[in-house]
Amino acid sequence: EPEVTQTPSHQVTQMGQEVILRCVPISNHLYFYWYRQILGQKVEFLVSFYNNEISEKSEIFDDQFSVERPDGSNFTLKIRSTKLEDSAMYFCASSLTGKAFFGQGTRLTVV
Amino acid sequence: DAKTTQPPSMDCAEGRAANLPCNHSTISGNEYVYWYRQIHSQGPQYIIHGLKNNETNEMASLIITEDRKSSTLILPHATLRDTAVYYCIVRVGDSNYQLIWGAGTKLIIKP
Repeated sequence: EPEVTQTPSHQVTQMGQEVILRCVPISNHLYFYWYRQILGQKVEFLVSFYNNEISEKSEIFDDQFSVERPDGSNFTLKIRSTKLEDSAMYFCASSLTGKAFFGQGTRLTVV
Repeated sequence: DAKTTQPPSMDCAEGRAANLPCNHSTISGNEYVYWYRQIHSQGPQYIIHGLKNNETNEMASLIITEDRKSSTLILPHATLRDTAVYYCIVRVGDSNYQLIWGAGTKLIIKP
């Protein structure tokens, strides 16, 4: 079965540094998403992306965050100037219809 | 906020049917009920969805009440690997955007 892949599985970064989380969505999917889950808390929506532009974003997705689909296969989340509170699992998802498929996540630890 | 209410936890004996309830009393006519699960801190996994009629697939059955204000996810023969947090989510049918996650039900399958 096709799957969404995310790299790296774990990233440790120093506060203030920039990180890029990478995702390869399922190839024929049209909608792409990033979610995050702080340890022990709910899954939170960050952003959705369709037709090469952001279609919806949450209040969490401020100017510190950006997304890009640079080459038609990868989908990236960039976090500029990371803060301690950005430590979380970040999940990428993709969908063709309403049924979303999730990757296994990147655990981001900001120290 | 999530538009659904679920019990925080449930137990079920291995081999028995697990019945997970969900209340969505404010659901609108064009909103679907989706179920996902998250095993440990892995990426969420789609299980099933429905609008009005009951649905069944290889993983589970979904029973939606006639007034659509509640639903039940049924895992017919629960195994230890079904231990997970199960999320009931309401989303607009023609929207492929964000999923709003509640706290879900922690289902523990006991040997």
